[in-house]
Amino acid sequence: GQQLNQSPQSMFIQEGEDVSMNCTSSSIFNTWLWYKQDPGEGPVLLIALYKAGELTSNGRLTAQFGITRKDSFLNISASIPSDVGIYFCAGGPNNAGNMLTFGGGTRLMVKP
Amino acid sequence: DSGVTQTPKHLITATGQRVTLRCSPRSGDLSVYWYQQSLDQGLQFLIQYYNGEERAKGNILERFSAQQFPDLHSELNLSSLELGDSALYFCASRIGWATGELFFGEGSRLTVL
Repeated sequence: GQQLNQSPQSMFIQEGEDVSMNCTSSSIFNTWLWYKQDPGEGPVLLIALYKAGELTSNGRLTAQFGITRKDSFLNISASIPSDVGIYFCAGGPNNAGNMLTFGGGTRLMVKP
Repeated sequence: DSGVTQTPKHLITATGQRVTLRCSPRSGDLSVYWYQQSLDQGLQFLIQYYNGEERAKGNILERFSAQQFPDLHSELNLSSLELGDSALYFCASRIGWATGELFFGEGSRLTVL
């Protein structure tokens, strides 16, 4: 089946620092989604990308759909303590009937 | 608030028992998805329903079953529970059946003792 490699698995950063995480796949995706999950909560959609090369921002978050359609990255600028959580990427395959594939998550910890 | 409602939020039960988790999708959404998240793990797709019909199946055990009712709410039934079934179970919904943005509920945390 399709595999998504998300890295890094975890990050411990200082408040104010920028953060970058990415997902890579061996398969082509038509859609890339980025979610954030707070402890004990459900994942919340942050950014959705639908076109290769697309760069989309949501406040301090910026995500890009890789040109090869096999990768995506998420940047968080000027991190704050409430950015703490697990960030998941999800890829939507070419076949609309197939399911989203989720990455393993990046656990972000921010030191005030 | 995603608009997806899941009950119960927490459930503690014993091995061998059966439980039912309930999900109400966002208003207007016809697709309901169930995911399992074990401790510190990613999201494992279990099953999808669209407008009352099973649409896709993932790594769902035979001891688990689900259905979507005419009012579009869905239930996930877990039977002959084992310790390893302890996990967060998420429901997600979207308007269509094709792959795309999913909106997740807050989850039901199941603990099997």
